[in-house]
Amino acid sequence: AQSVAQPEDQVNVAEGNPLTVKCTYSVSGNPYLFWYVQYPNRGLQFLLKYITGDNLVKGSYGFEAEFNKSQTSFHLKKPSALVSDSALYFCAVRGRGGGYNKLIFGAGTRLAVHP
Amino acid sequence: GAGVSQTPSNKVTEKGKYVELRCDPISGHTALYWYRQSLGQGPEFLIYFQGTGAADDSGLPNDRFFAVRPEGSVSTLKIQRTERGDSAVYLCASSLEPGGAETQYFGPGTRLLVL
Repeated sequence: AQSVAQPEDQVNVAEGNPLTVKCTYSVSGNPYLFWYVQYPNRGLQFLLKYITGDNLVKGSYGFEAEFNKSQTSFHLKKPSALVSDSALYFCAVRGRGGGYNKLIFGAGTRLAVHP
Repeated sequence: GAGVSQTPSNKVTEKGKYVELRCDPISGHTALYWYRQSLGQGPEFLIYFQGTGAADDSGLPNDRFFAVRPEGSVSTLKIQRTERGDSAVYLCASSLEPGGAETQYFGPGTRLLVL
């Protein structure tokens, strides 16, 4: 069965410092991996995805994520956090092959960036 | 261009009533998905449409839930005999094509409250 774990309910970071939001996954075979961000009373906004190739994926708003197959992880990173990055972040996985159409989401990590 | 739209944005109903939630996907997107997000959790898959047909309805919790997409564009999620446990944010997403690598773009959601 596919699953996603986001081990931290909340991450606190000072503005200007680097941030990391952790994600590990479980899926048969090679995964497709996604990060979404959710602002209050808004839907999910797509940040980035890993399909294949380079393990470091760059996305919107300066975010990037590193795919690590041996650790089954896909951590979200940003070199310098902004207060406006404060939001709820979701990691999601999707298997390959027929029948794998739905996204499986983690429980989310709340990022709080302090001035 | 226009994103995924959902109406109503908020719906308050009484236990036992019938509700319909509407989703208008991005123009030209063939795949449409419904998810449900309960408080403090990540979205959970309900149903997936490819064109007019429901290709995967394995996430529908019971037979009170039903969804249609009669012309392959707009979709309606229908809930009969609502229960308090149905209270959640219902999210709709669409993608250009089905398949694991495709990005799903989400609407703002409909917040359903069953009293």
